[in-house]
Amino acid sequence: GAGVSQSPSNKVTEKGKDVELRCDPISGHTALYWYRQSLGQGLEFLIYFQGNSAPDKSGLPSDRFSAERTGGSVSTLTIQRTQQEDSAVYLCASSPQPLNTEAFFGQGTRLTVV
Amino acid sequence: EDKVVQSPLSLVVHEGDTVTLNCSYEVTNFRSLLWYKQEKKAPTFLFMLTSSGIEKKSGRLSSILDKKELSSILNITATQTGDSAIYLCAANAGGTSYGKLTFGQGTILTVHP
Repeated sequence: GAGVSQSPSNKVTEKGKDVELRCDPISGHTALYWYRQSLGQGLEFLIYFQGNSAPDKSGLPSDRFSAERTGGSVSTLTIQRTQQEDSAVYLCASSPQPLNTEAFFGQGTRLTVV
Repeated sequence: EDKVVQSPLSLVVHEGDTVTLNCSYEVTNFRSLLWYKQEKKAPTFLFMLTSSGIEKKSGRLSSILDKKELSSILNITATQTGDSAIYLCAANAGGTSYGKLTFGQGTILTVHP
């Protein structure tokens, strides 16, 4: 596609439910990143993929968070047993290679846990 | 732990003013520093800096990196209301953190007519 696409754009879920957030990177981009932005905060790194493997998962805040990438393309971020502190905007970005150039961001998914 | 700090956290100016935004970083195996502008959700890329002392310019925006001081500045001259946004600075590290961007908390710029 022309840009990084994320879905859904907004998600409201009840505390304790699982959610899946999807990211479609720019075609041909091998590197894919997930970030989280809480209200009034900067971007918090979650995980980075090179192809289908994740060399750096250091930012995942707890074992309730997991992510996968298949076919070197689409990635899914899953949050199990959501908590209110998970409410944030989840941003995905991709780049042709790991940051030899800029990363292009999607519009994000605004997750609200009630 | 890698850290990026931006200042000021917020700034209010009038159209026509010139602003300077600051970014300092502590990153192991530093590779590059990036500036982004965030108006709604998606940050949009402004500059990528890898070499110290070389200014990058794009219209009224310019940026420079000082590796000795571990810092960067973003200048905006003749500000316009459309410059109102959050400006994010991020450092890219090498080594085992290769590919990871560490972001600062951002500077909220508000430009009044």
